[in-house]
Amino acid sequence: ETGVTQSPTHLIKTRGQQVTLRCSSQSGHNTVSWYQQALGQGPQFIFQYYREEENGRGNFPPRFSGLQFPNYSSELNVNALELDDSALYLCASSLGTSPGEQYFGPGTRLTVT
Amino acid sequence: RKEVEQDPGPFNVPEGATVAFNCTYSNSASQSFFWYRQDCRKEPKLLMSVYSSGNEDGRFTAQLNRASQYISLLIRDSKLSDSATYLCVVKAAGNKLTFGGGTRVLVKP
Repeated sequence: ETGVTQSPTHLIKTRGQQVTLRCSSQSGHNTVSWYQQALGQGPQFIFQYYREEENGRGNFPPRFSGLQFPNYSSELNVNALELDDSALYLCASSLGTSPGEQYFGPGTRLTVT
Repeated sequence: RKEVEQDPGPFNVPEGATVAFNCTYSNSASQSFFWYRQDCRKEPKLLMSVYSSGNEDGRFTAQLNRASQYISLLIRDSKLSDSATYLCVVKAAGNKLTFGGGTRVLVKP
């Protein structure tokens, strides 16, 4: 076990709704990265948070946003959900912003209908 | 062209055999390279980093070819428990890890 936890484990939402996913990083880690993994594909980088600031972003629209809290836990918010947002959302924690290794949580499986 | 490309497989491997597969990357400025393993419906976990001179970790050997921009993973004496998806991961400058689509390996008795 990595010590990275995510909630909820599964979620079903309707197109157009908003969703918030949560991640608690491993103890001592100050950086959280979020990834989207569609079925049969590798994880795609959404963004990274370091010391409560966004520190890099992938090719995702602004309706994907996030937060990091003083305890380094993090939230991923997705507005105006689309069917293609259905995926496994993974968060990964690390120490520092240029990690050699990231520790992944078990993920939240989001289904948009 | 995708930044990191992998043969999706599956590679069907008899138990005890050797299997090898590659991953190509497009960004010549890439600095760090890794292999992650992902079991079905589980999160990715670091298998090994890939160093310029190549490196070995037990039955696993990773190689980097910067000139041709690919990395490879070789698994010797395959075990049933090696069945998984192997994700090639590349990091350029900064903090973004770029994952390939994964290569699925199935080890059969």
